[in-house]
Amino acid sequence: GIQVEQSPPDLILQEGANSTLRCNFSDSVNNLQWFHQNPWGQLINLFYIPSGTKQNGRLSATTVATERYSLLYISSSQTTDSGVYFCAVLSGGYQKVTFGTGTKLQVIP
Amino acid sequence: KAGVTQTPRYLIKTRGQQVTLSCSPISGHRSVSWYQQTPGQGLQFLFEYFSETQRNKGNFPGRFSGRQFSNSRSEMNVSTLELGDSALYLCASSLVKENTEAFFGQGTRLTVV
Repeated sequence: GIQVEQSPPDLILQEGANSTLRCNFSDSVNNLQWFHQNPWGQLINLFYIPSGTKQNGRLSATTVATERYSLLYISSSQTTDSGVYFCAVLSGGYQKVTFGTGTKLQVIP
Repeated sequence: KAGVTQTPRYLIKTRGQQVTLSCSPISGHRSVSWYQQTPGQGLQFLFEYFSETQRNKGNFPGRFSGRQFSNSRSEMNVSTLELGDSALYLCASSLVKENTEAFFGQGTRLTVV
């Protein structure tokens, strides 16, 4: 099946710093999503981005489907950005989501 | 619009018992899928239902089963619980159309002792 890898696995940032999270996938995908998992376990939708670039406040994402990667940018990070960020792809048929390995982000004051 | 609702939020069971988890999708969503999250294996796909039919299944033993009702609500059942079944179980719902955005519930945290 499709493989989804994220980097870096862990990231510690000073509040106010910028960061880039990467997601590589091994095969063509139909769609791609970015999630933020909060400390209580819920997956919060950040972006639904099969291709192109989207922005939402301090966050933006870019997917280059032909080169099989996606990037999540976090600018002016805040402590509330801490948590695990997952990339997830939809491939093949039906709603089977394959998750990446995650990036654990810690933003320190 | 209400989000995806999972019940119960927390559960403690003993080895050998069985458990049933419930998921109510977003109104109008007819696809419901289930995922298991453990520290060692990450987030893994269990199965997906659409119009009361299981369309896709992950690589889990037959002890894991599910069903979907006519109102799109779904339940998953785990029989003969093992310690390794301790995990966060997440449910997601999507619109009818394939390959559309998935929305997740808050999850059920199952502990097997």
